[in-house]
Amino acid sequence: EAGVVQSPRYKIIEKKQPVAFWCNPISGHNTLYWYLQNLGQGPELLIRYENEEAVDDSQLPKDRFSAERLKGVDSTLKIQPAELGDSAVYLCASSADTFPGELFFGEGSRLTVL
Amino acid sequence: SQQGEEDPQALSIQEGENATMNCSYKTSINNLQWYRQNSGRGLVHLILIRSNEREKHSGRLRVTLDTSKKSSSLLITASRAADTASYFCATDAGGNDMRFGAGTRLTVKP
Repeated sequence: EAGVVQSPRYKIIEKKQPVAFWCNPISGHNTLYWYLQNLGQGPELLIRYENEEAVDDSQLPKDRFSAERLKGVDSTLKIQPAELGDSAVYLCASSADTFPGELFFGEGSRLTVL
Repeated sequence: SQQGEEDPQALSIQEGENATMNCSYKTSINNLQWYRQNSGRGLVHLILIRSNEREKHSGRLRVTLDTSKKSSSLLITASRAADTASYFCATDAGGNDMRFGAGTRLTVKP
């Protein structure tokens, strides 16, 4: 069974440029999470989807970040425009349960903003 | 915002020794989970312990939970060089979102 797939693995952009990250969760997993991880820190939740509905986006900086999960399967996280402080790893995870069970993580997308 | 705090921040031991990491959290939980992250990789689930459980084992892993103290510990017995990684606890804070601590960086020297 394929795991959570994320792309791109690495992205280097100049500040003020847009960037998008894509995530394909494990088949059948209804819950999808986007986390941000700074160097030496734990993941911080950005947004959680139940199917195609964003049920918790309180930590998503909505002035420059947006996310969507069309058809309740794969998801895209966008930053526009990117700032220097956005340099981090963006992790996607999925879960089979609506109640927190085991989270399956992708390898992450490492963003460097110059 | 992060829910849990791991202690110590970093731990260095010799192969064969036991490694103990602690996690403290702030609000009531339904379950607590431990994850491992190798450098440059995603997180991998290790073990889940529910709020009504006090201890759980999985191979060389032993997790305890003390809800009165809002704390948990992860013990890795007979550590191996391959156990070198960062270890994170995560809690649901009584809701549906898993919130992670800052992690313990474990180094096991051969």
